[in-house]
Amino acid sequence: NAGVTQTPKFQVLKTGQSMTLQCAQDMNHNSMYWYRQDPGMGLRLIYYSASEGTTDKGEVPNGYNVSRLNKREFSLRLESAAPSQTSVYFCASRTGGDGGYTFGSGTRLTVV
Amino acid sequence: EDKVVQSPLSLVVHEGDTVTLNCSYEVTNFRSLLWYKQEKKAPTFLFMLTSSGIEKKSGRLSSILDKKELSSILNITATQTGDSAIYLCAVVGGSYDKVIFGPGTSLSVIP
Repeated sequence: NAGVTQTPKFQVLKTGQSMTLQCAQDMNHNSMYWYRQDPGMGLRLIYYSASEGTTDKGEVPNGYNVSRLNKREFSLRLESAAPSQTSVYFCASRTGGDGGYTFGSGTRLTVV
Repeated sequence: EDKVVQSPLSLVVHEGDTVTLNCSYEVTNFRSLLWYKQEKKAPTFLFMLTSSGIEKKSGRLSSILDKKELSSILNITATQTGDSAIYLCAVVGGSYDKVIFGPGTSLSVIP
């Protein structure tokens, strides 16, 4: 019963490099989300996917792209990393409606 | 614009104290309010509140929602060092079906 699995757990990138953060859930949830968490700013929504085949921008989408590959997987891509994207990234999923989130364990990304 | 506000942003108490954390919101199409505890890694779920005036309780933690005042409180009695964490309030609703998080309250319990 893995829940939400994120990879990698840690990553260091140079400015301008690209990478993809992977997220998979095994709870048959419809909705999946990517957040970033910075000190004093709480969790800010980057992108979300309300169902397979759909994606929408959240509060801070600039510099990111996402893919909802199937119901289980939702990836986040940084095409050209910038130091401002240094953060902790959380993937989450939920059933929808009033249901709360289940979070992945997070990815700590540093861009130098 | 939808928003969730928490206060205080940080708090230091001694073991055995009782603390009250506050959350207020301005969210369209409110559905529910969630409390999470975040220690070193991912947030873990504490409570979901949908109805005003009904207290949810789990051990030393309790929470209640006031829809009229658009707010909620989280109480922790007889605090322990293990309660040290960031407590996140989140509201389900908004212009699209998303969960909006507050900035969190950082609680430190010292022996």
